[in-house]
Amino acid sequence: NAGVTQTPKFQVLKTGQSMTLQCAQDMNHNSMYWYRQDPGMGLRLIYYSASEGTTDKGEVPNGYNVSRLNKREFSLRLESAAPSQTSVYFCASSPHSLEGTGYTFGSGTRLTVV
Amino acid sequence: EDKVVQSPLSLVVHEGDTVTLNCSYEVTNFRSLLWYKQEKKAPTFLFMLTSSGIEKKSGRLSSILDKKELFSILNITATQTGDSAIYLCAVEGRTSGTYKYIFGTGTRLKVLA
Repeated sequence: NAGVTQTPKFQVLKTGQSMTLQCAQDMNHNSMYWYRQDPGMGLRLIYYSASEGTTDKGEVPNGYNVSRLNKREFSLRLESAAPSQTSVYFCASSPHSLEGTGYTFGSGTRLTVV
Repeated sequence: EDKVVQSPLSLVVHEGDTVTLNCSYEVTNFRSLLWYKQEKKAPTFLFMLTSSGIEKKSGRLSSILDKKELFSILNITATQTGDSAIYLCAVEGRTSGTYKYIFGTGTRLKVLA
């Protein structure tokens, strides 16, 4: 089925460990996004990529890095995980950041940092 | 600072009731407002609103936008237990040359049988 695929679905890390969250879309969308969702905080934008080859910081970029590997894939890396990064992470895509068509979301990654 | 505020934060109703969810916003260079329904996993798209006063409708759900007063409402009539979810409002604005969506914190709706 066409859509946005995120891996892994669940992950537990120890403080200081690193990991990469993977995201891939097969809808030929130009723009991709990483959000985190915390209780009472809503969805907050971490990083986004308006088009292949570009990435920009969102609202809460500290502690994260991203790579837009190609048009399909947009990964999020935690270099040294902290308990404050415990959250549910969503990847999303849209045809183009300049077209108001809404997002398609992945199913999310639940990350716990202990 | 751009912001999106949803109210109420949570709501408990009985099946058959009608509910109205609110979303107010302050966003630079507004372009669109979206409503999403989030059950256990990813948000799923409900409506996109770009023009004031034009109601979007899908079954028992409807939504309308007021660009003068900067708010939108989502109505659900004859609620069912399957409507229990978090309803998210997202507003699209443009800063630094790029459009992005800002999300509200959501309204958690619980419909009791």
